[in-house]
Amino acid sequence: AQTVTQSQPEMSVQEAETVTLSCTYDTSENNYYLFWYKQPPSRQMILVIRQEAYKQQNATENRFSVNFQKAAKSFSLKISDSQLGDTAMYFCAFMKQTGNTGKLIFGQGTTLQVKP
Amino acid sequence: ETGVTQSPTHLIKTRGQQVTLRCSSQSGHNTVSWYQQALGQGPQFIFQYYREEENGRGNFPPRFSGLQFPNYSSELNVNALELDDSALYLCASSREVVMDTEAFFGQGTRLTVV
Repeated sequence: AQTVTQSQPEMSVQEAETVTLSCTYDTSENNYYLFWYKQPPSRQMILVIRQEAYKQQNATENRFSVNFQKAAKSFSLKISDSQLGDTAMYFCAFMKQTGNTGKLIFGQGTTLQVKP
Repeated sequence: ETGVTQSPTHLIKTRGQQVTLRCSSQSGHNTVSWYQQALGQGPQFIFQYYREEENGRGNFPPRFSGLQFPNYSSELNVNALELDDSALYLCASSREVVMDTEAFFGQGTRLTVV
């Protein structure tokens, strides 16, 4: 069974600084996707960034980038120039295709607070 | 293009009762997945519906059941509610079931069982 582990329950960063959130996962699959989702107090999960396992190049989306280490099964999220609006819970998630079902497996989450 | 909407936003039920939660999928999406998120935890997959058929199920008992309608909206039904069913229930819709389609989440229904 696949598992996703986020070892940092809480993180804080000063506004405009850089922070890295960690995620490791366990799978025997070769073809899968990895995601980082943001869940602000409004509760709605918002996709931050995603990475296809077959792509070696790390995904980037504006201030957000990942460090994907497939052999180490590591998938960290780097947030540059942190903004107050980045304060939220962040979830790392894994998806593989099981038959016709594409389900997300989430980690426990990391609460990030950006301080002014 | 409307987003994913869930109703109600909050609900309080008594142990042993039954509850129905609703989800309207995003326009053009035929796949709906339901997740249970306990307080301070990551969401757990309950089941997925694709074109009105159940298309995969997580480790949840049969008292959790669902339905998808011809317009691809969906319901989650929970019978014989237990205190541990208290959680945020999230619905996510996508264009297809394959991995490379993005899932869009609703704002969730907060269920409290007393």
